[in-house]
Amino acid sequence: DAEITQSPRHKITETGRQVTLACHQTWNHNNMFWYRQDLGHGLRLIHYSYGVQDTNKGEVSDGYSVSRSNTEDLPLTLESAASSQTSVYFCASSEDSLNTEAFFGQGTRLTVV
Amino acid sequence: AQSVAQPEDQVNVAEGNPLTVKCTYSVSGNPYLFWYVQYPNRGLQFLLKYITGDNLVKGSYGFEAEFNKSQTSFHLKKPSALVSDSALYFCAVNPSTGRRALTFGSGTRLQVQP
Repeated sequence: DAEITQSPRHKITETGRQVTLACHQTWNHNNMFWYRQDLGHGLRLIHYSYGVQDTNKGEVSDGYSVSRSNTEDLPLTLESAASSQTSVYFCASSEDSLNTEAFFGQGTRLTVV
Repeated sequence: AQSVAQPEDQVNVAEGNPLTVKCTYSVSGNPYLFWYVQYPNRGLQFLLKYITGDNLVKGSYGFEAEFNKSQTSFHLKKPSALVSDSALYFCAVNPSTGRRALTFGSGTRLQVQP
């Protein structure tokens, strides 16, 4: 069965370190997204991609970057981790059409100390 | 820019009673509307969506949602709640044109008491 997987599931890192969260999907979807989930804010869009070599900023992109070198993967990099980036991160993918649902990974809980 | 409001942080209902989780939206043009459910330590699972047509949409696990264009609402409903329905519920919207990325509400925690 097709799926979307995130790794690691849990990560503790120190302030100032670079961290990369992995996302891999086998749906063959062109669209991929990264969201962060914080209490009281729901899910907020960090970055998204419509296909290989395409990346776009979402509402809360400062301090994050993504790259899309193939269809299956969209790694999220925190250039210099900050305590404000302690959160649960979700990756998702969807087909090209606006009216199709997105499929979500299990999430990565990141703690910056 | 689009937005979604879920006015209730938590909804409490007794098992067997009907439940409603409220959602209102703001978007340019026609909306595509979605409901997702999140169980503890899990990702989001798709429940149902409204694209066009009948205003009452049926989805997974006996849930349904009613689209009301004049009130810009998309409330989630279930005739008879189960304890196992207790979870976090998110409403989301995509406009019919433009960016292909969902905008989510802040979520509503549903607590069903036995």
